[in-house]
Amino acid sequence: AQSVSQHNHHVILSEAASLELGCNYSYGGTVNLFWYVQYPGQHLQLLLKYFSGDPLVKGIKGFEAEFIKSKFSFNLRKPSVQWSDTAEYFCAVERGFYGGATNKLIFGTGTLLAVQP
Amino acid sequence: EAGVAQSPRYKIIEKRQSVAFWCNPISGHATLYWYQQILGQGPKLLIQFQNNGVVDDSQLPKDRFSAERLKGVDSTLKIQPAKLEDSAVYLCASSLAAGGPGYAGELFFGEGSRLTVL
Repeated sequence: AQSVSQHNHHVILSEAASLELGCNYSYGGTVNLFWYVQYPGQHLQLLLKYFSGDPLVKGIKGFEAEFIKSKFSFNLRKPSVQWSDTAEYFCAVERGFYGGATNKLIFGTGTLLAVQP
Repeated sequence: EAGVAQSPRYKIIEKRQSVAFWCNPISGHATLYWYQQILGQGPKLLIQFQNNGVVDDSQLPKDRFSAERLKGVDSTLKIQPAKLEDSAVYLCASSLAAGGPGYAGELFFGEGSRLTVL
């Protein structure tokens, strides 16, 4: 069965530290890849996505992610985190594309990031 | 633009009781999703609607869970009877129709309904 793995469940960083959160998926076909973020007390929202093209994608708030097809990975990075980045981060994989496909997202278990001021 | 609305935000019930959650998606979004998020886990899709038809309900425990979207707009998710393991946050999300104009793969989530079953 298709699955999404996030190996870091809890990450604690100091402000200005660099961040990399791992995400691996098991599906061998063509996929769309996403990172969603949930700030404390807020709803899940899209951080960035990859459909095709340049495997290095940039999202909001200085985040970026790199798709490495050979490694089935889509790791999230930020060179310098801020206290306001404290949140839970979810990687998600969508299999299937247009015209009648289910297009459902499969989420990883999430990584809770705490940034200390 | 108004977001996805869900109610109630919190619900506490005893096992074997019933509960219903309501969701109003973003206007114009044809696709509506219900996800279950158990503490420490990622959201798991329960059911997906395209307009008022079910696209995928393969992970919906149909012996106790039901969902409907009669007019292709708002939706209700019902649990009857509830079990302890149903304690979770129930997330509703919506998106433009997959493959349709403007579809970019993004789901818009509501704030969720937190259910505690005692």
